Amino acid sequence: AQSVTQLDSQVPVFEEAPVELRCNYSSSVSVYLFWYVQYPNQGLQLLLKYLSGSTLVKGINGFEAEFNKSQTSFHLRKPSVHISDTAEYFCAVSAPGNTGFQKLVFGTGTRLLVSP
Amino acid sequence: GAGVSQSPSNKVTEKGKDVELRCDPISGHTALYWYRQSLGQGLEFLIYFQGNSAPDKSGLPSDRFSAERTGGSVSTLTIQRTQQEDSAVYLCASSSRGGVGADTQYFGPGTRLTVL
Repeated sequence: AQSVTQLDSQVPVFEEAPVELRCNYSSSVSVYLFWYVQYPNQGLQLLLKYLSGSTLVKGINGFEAEFNKSQTSFHLRKPSVHISDTAEYFCAVSAPGNTGFQKLVFGTGTRLLVSP
Repeated sequence: GAGVSQSPSNKVTEKGKDVELRCDPISGHTALYWYRQSLGQGLEFLIYFQGNSAPDKSGLPSDRFSAERTGGSVSTLTIQRTQQEDSAVYLCASSSRGGVGADTQYFGPGTRLTVL
């Protein structure tokens, strides 16, 4: 079965500093990988996704992630964060479910706290 | 509307009562998903609809939980005889094709259920 590990439950960072949110996955088959962001009292919004091709994926709001098959990682990065980036970030893998349907399996989330 | 909508946004109920949670997916999206987000369990998949049928109900935690979708659009998640452990945020998502791992799921803002 597929699983996702987000080792950091919380990452504090100062405004305009770079940040990396770590995500590792386990799977015996090829997967699709996603990063979602959840702002307070809102639903999840897709930041970016890796399906195939270039291992560096660029998303919205200046975020990017790099797929590393040998390390089974999909870390999220941003070179300079803003206060408005304060949110919960979820890494997810698309995994085969019943009847061939592929469901999203989420990590436990990383809370990014950006301070002035 | 432009996005996935859910109602009510908040629901407080007493233990043992039944509750119904509603989801309106993005118009034209054939696939609909329910997830549960709780402190102890993170984000869990509950059920997937393709059109009006539910090929994957593997995430429903007990037979007190059921869901239906009518007209290939609106879905209702029903929890009977609610228990305190049912307290969580229930998220609905939809996607254009469904069953395809690469398909982006668009999430609603969720319904926060509190069982007293």
